[in-house]
Amino acid sequence: EAQVTQNPRYLITVTGKKLTVTCSQNMNHEYMSWYRQDPGLGLRQIYYSMNVEVTDKGDVPEGYKVSRKEKRNFPLILESPSPNQTSLYFCASSSLWGAGNTEAFFGQGTRLTVV
Amino acid sequence: GENVEQHPSTLSVQEGDSAVIKCTYSDSASNYFPWYKQELGKRPQLIIDIRSNVGEKKDQRIAVTLNKTAKHFSLHITETQPEDSAVYFCAASKPDRGSTLGRLYFGRGTQLTVWP
Repeated sequence: EAQVTQNPRYLITVTGKKLTVTCSQNMNHEYMSWYRQDPGLGLRQIYYSMNVEVTDKGDVPEGYKVSRKEKRNFPLILESPSPNQTSLYFCASSSLWGAGNTEAFFGQGTRLTVV
Repeated sequence: GENVEQHPSTLSVQEGDSAVIKCTYSDSASNYFPWYKQELGKRPQLIIDIRSNVGEKKDQRIAVTLNKTAKHFSLHITETQPEDSAVYFCAASKPDRGSTLGRLYFGRGTQLTVWP
């Protein structure tokens, strides 16, 4: 089954304690991205990757890091989480084949609370 | 970049009525316009999309129209049902072979509520 898998689904942590949210896709997609979803603000892109070892900032990258060492995995790293990073996070992947713009598949989401 | 505006932010309709959500975009180079539905507690999922070489696309009770000249596109849901209640996001994307390839620019979402 084609899917994007995020872990964990829920996470409560304390300010300053490093954490990683994992994301994996099994569709051989080139493009992967991370979004945060906050009420009234929609989906804002944090970071994206167009292929292995190619990553770049989205609209709200401050306080986040990513890596793309393998095509299927795209972890989101919060080195020193702060309460303003409390949010719902989604990983997504899509293919860049052909026309270049295709359906984005989203993970289940990670509800992060930083206290 | 690209700026996508979505209206309204909330929409309440009676079951059986139609619902229309409108989006505008700023970059005339955008050529792909998907709509995502996010049910409560779930992930966004694609429900319909349209490319700039067509003006309208239908799939059962949902349709999307695109006006390239005015740079706006709309989602139309007919004969609404309670299970249509969700947040709907529009998005735009362009075929730039540079850093924006694959990037989706989302609107802020519309909370649709369908009352029985």
